[in-house]
Amino acid sequence: DIQMTQSPSSLSASVGDRVTITCRASQSISSYLNWYQQKPGKAPNLLIFAASSLQSGVPSRFSGSGSGTDFTLIISNLQPEDFATYYCQQSYSLPLTFGGGTKVDIK
Amino acid sequence: EVQLVQSGAEVKKPGESLKISCKASGYSFTNYWIGWVRQMPGKGLEWMGIVYPGDSDTRYSPSLQGQVTISADKSISTAYLQWSSLKASDTAMYYCARSLTTTIQGPDYWGQGTLVTVSS
Repeated sequence: DIQMTQSPSSLSASVGDRVTITCRASQSISSYLNWYQQKPGKAPNLLIFAASSLQSGVPSRFSGSGSGTDFTLIISNLQPEDFATYYCQQSYSLPLTFGGGTKVDIK
Repeated sequence: EVQLVQSGAEVKKPGESLKISCKASGYSFTNYWIGWVRQMPGKGLEWMGIVYPGDSDTRYSPSLQGQVTISADKSISTAYLQWSSLKASDTAMYYCARSLTTTIQGPDYWGQGTLVTVSS
């Protein structure tokens, strides 16, 4: 199985901040990397697919980059509704695997 | 509009069987893989497996193979996740989710989740 490691596991930030979350794969996954946002009690929501493509309807303050083994999700100008947990997921090979999550809370 | 509507919460005893469902609408059910994701209380997301309703081709996470059965009934656009003998450790929220493309990819649309509680 491909292991996905996210860092940090949690962070505190303020509205308006720029937030960076990283995800590392245990082997190369090309650009088969997705990012999800999950709010408490809700299903995850796809933000970014194929490492850097913004899902329809997702605000442009979210961006993704990377390829191979190292990936980054950036939230620029953090908004109150962005406080949530973020997960990366690889879709390069089965089983699909998720990172452990990064919880973004209010400083 | 793509929608995945899951069956309601369940409370079961250890050793009981269970089948939960995920009714799809708004797209061609037979053309997209649909999978299941587990989230244990306070924990992260875990991919369980996936089925292609067009021909019932099914793939499982090796860690869960043999513990659950994933299936689909294309005549009613519904996917299923079932257990033959539940354990307390099966207590979790279960989400169905459609693959982003017609191949196996990460999900784009998700169901609302089905909470399964297993307790004696």
